[in-house]
Amino acid sequence: AQSVTQLGSHVSVSEGALVLLRCNYSSSVPPYLFWYVQYPNQGLQLLLKYTSAATLVKGINGFEAEFKKSETSFHLTKPSAHMSDAAEYFCAVSDRGAGGTSYGKLTFGQGTILTVHP
Amino acid sequence: NAGVMQNPRHLVRRRGQEARLRCSPMKGHSHVYWYRQLPEEGLKFMVYLQKENIIDESGMPKERFSAEFPKEGPSILRIQQVVRGDSAAYFCASSPIGGPYYGYTFGSGTRLTVV
Repeated sequence: AQSVTQLGSHVSVSEGALVLLRCNYSSSVPPYLFWYVQYPNQGLQLLLKYTSAATLVKGINGFEAEFKKSETSFHLTKPSAHMSDAAEYFCAVSDRGAGGTSYGKLTFGQGTILTVHP
Repeated sequence: NAGVMQNPRHLVRRRGQEARLRCSPMKGHSHVYWYRQLPEEGLKFMVYLQKENIIDESGMPKERFSAEFPKEGPSILRIQQVVRGDSAAYFCASSPIGGPYYGYTFGSGTRLTVV
């Protein structure tokens, strides 16, 4: 079964500092990988996704993530944190089905709450 | 184009009552997914439906939980005889074609509290 591990349930950074949120997955075949953001009392919004086109993926709001097969990792970064980045971030994986289509479900990590200090 | 609409946003039920959660997918989306988020945890997959069909219910508890997505109308997640442990946020997502690769949009969730 697929699993996703997010290292660090809470990450705190200063405004303007680098943001690094870690995600490792376990899968015998490289899956599709996603990062979502959740603001309080809201649904999840897709930040970016890896579908094998390029290992460095750029997303919205200045975030990017790099797929590293050798490390089974898909860490999320942003060069300079903004106060509005404070939220909970989830890494997720989806099986890569036959013919390149994905199965329906996502498997999520436990989430990382990002706090940004002025 | 409205997003995924879930209602109610908040639902309070007494133990033993039934809870019905509704999800209207985005226009043009015929695939619906339900997830549950327990306090301090990530989202857990429950069920994947297409119109009138259950595709994958591997995450659904064996008892008291059911889901449907009729030909007309919203998808319904039904919880019978609710217990305190059912208190959680329930999220629905929809996509135009099966799987998150093609664009998976989440609703804002229904927060169920069982008292």
